[in-house]
Amino acid sequence: NAGVTQTPKFRILKIGQSMTLQCTQDMNHNYMYWYRQDPGMGLKLIYYSVGAGITDKGEVPNGYNVSRSTTEDFPLRLELAAPSQTSVYFCASRNQGGGNTIYFGEGSWLTVV
Amino acid sequence: DQQVKQNSPSLSVQEGRISILNCDYTNSMFDYFLWYKKYPAEGPTFLISISSIKDKNEDGRFTVFLNKSAKHLSLHIVPSQPGDSAVYFCAAVSGTYKYIFGTGTRLKVLA
Repeated sequence: NAGVTQTPKFRILKIGQSMTLQCTQDMNHNYMYWYRQDPGMGLKLIYYSVGAGITDKGEVPNGYNVSRSTTEDFPLRLELAAPSQTSVYFCASRNQGGGNTIYFGEGSWLTVV
Repeated sequence: DQQVKQNSPSLSVQEGRISILNCDYTNSMFDYFLWYKKYPAEGPTFLISISSIKDKNEDGRFTVFLNKSAKHLSLHIVPSQPGDSAVYFCAAVSGTYKYIFGTGTRLKVLA
């Protein structure tokens, strides 16, 4: 049972570099989400998608971009990385008709120096 | 504006005793609530949920209580076990995508 898979698990970026966090789910879920968690804080929604080709901003979208070309994949792109983007990133998904439970990946630890 | 609050950042409980984790919310439009458990270096995992039309939901050692008039929910773990030591997040749902998470409570169950 793979569920929601995120890569990479750890990454160090230099200020101004760009990178993509990969997320894939094998549960055929319509909804996918990207959250970030800063120390001592709850999870903040960055972007979400209700299906292939449809994405929308969450609470903290600045500095990020997403795409949803397939049901399975929902990559998160960081352009011009800044120290404020040092965080733990979680991808999540849920089924439209399967209740309100969302399932998380294991997280990606990103440090921008 | 913190719509979902977990005012206790940490809690220590003896093994075998009851653990009570609390969560308060401000938005009366929330219609579903969930509790997630998170171990270090892992993603949050779903624990238990409750609809706003109910006031209690039970699953084994875990019970969630919802008091809508007080805008308060709590998670009871009885009996507590050392493996329950983790960070617990409550989340409130409004609509199809809006999940608002609390800041978490770190539970430590002492053997």
